[in-house]
Amino acid sequence: KNQVEQSPQSLIILEGKNCTLQCNYTVSPFSNLRWYKQDTGRGPVSLTIMTFSENTKSNGRYTATLDADTKQSSLHITASQLSDSASYICVVSGGSGTYKYIFGTGTRLKVLA
Amino acid sequence: GAVVSQHPSWVICKSGTSVKIECRSLDFQATTMFWYRQFPKQSLMLMATSNEGSKATYEQGVEKDKFLINHASLTLSTLTVTSAHPEDSSFYICSVRLAKGTDTQYFGPGTRLTVL
Repeated sequence: KNQVEQSPQSLIILEGKNCTLQCNYTVSPFSNLRWYKQDTGRGPVSLTIMTFSENTKSNGRYTATLDADTKQSSLHITASQLSDSASYICVVSGGSGTYKYIFGTGTRLKVLA
Repeated sequence: GAVVSQHPSWVICKSGTSVKIECRSLDFQATTMFWYRQFPKQSLMLMATSNEGSKATYEQGVEKDKFLINHASLTLSTLTVTSAHPEDSSFYICSVRLAKGTDTQYFGPGTRLTVL
């Protein structure tokens, strides 16, 4: 069964600290993996996208890694800001070749002053 | 990337009424549009896939007669929640895919539906 699992479910950190979010997937065949940021009451916004051959991708203070062998990805946020408070969703594209997105359960991040 | 709008951004309606939500691709023609539903503290759940000029493909468990989807043009898709009930209250998000053979989706800002 194609699944995407994320951990932790929620996370609280202080402003300025770093944090790492995890994503494990069992999607096959695999096309690519994306990390999205979703603010409360808004649609998801893309942060990074990685294909099978890419190990890391950065977007400002966000750095995503991908280990296609172990089917794991992480999203590292550096020097967190209050505006980073949001849900972070790992999305894997692939499966039956219909280009459907398979969504993770998300990690809710709260950054405190 | 594509700019996607949804209208309205929020709506409150009485139980038994129908509500229409619009999804527009503002600067690109979308070959495919997707409709998702998101309950509090949960991730997005795909409801249906809509291709311009053809009938929508609904996911298992989604009633096509209750959630009517019309994809009349390459820039507009509508979702109508018919005979809405309180359990239909949710956050509805559309996304667009711009070309066949690609999987990149651009998401709209979402519509919050509250059924009283």
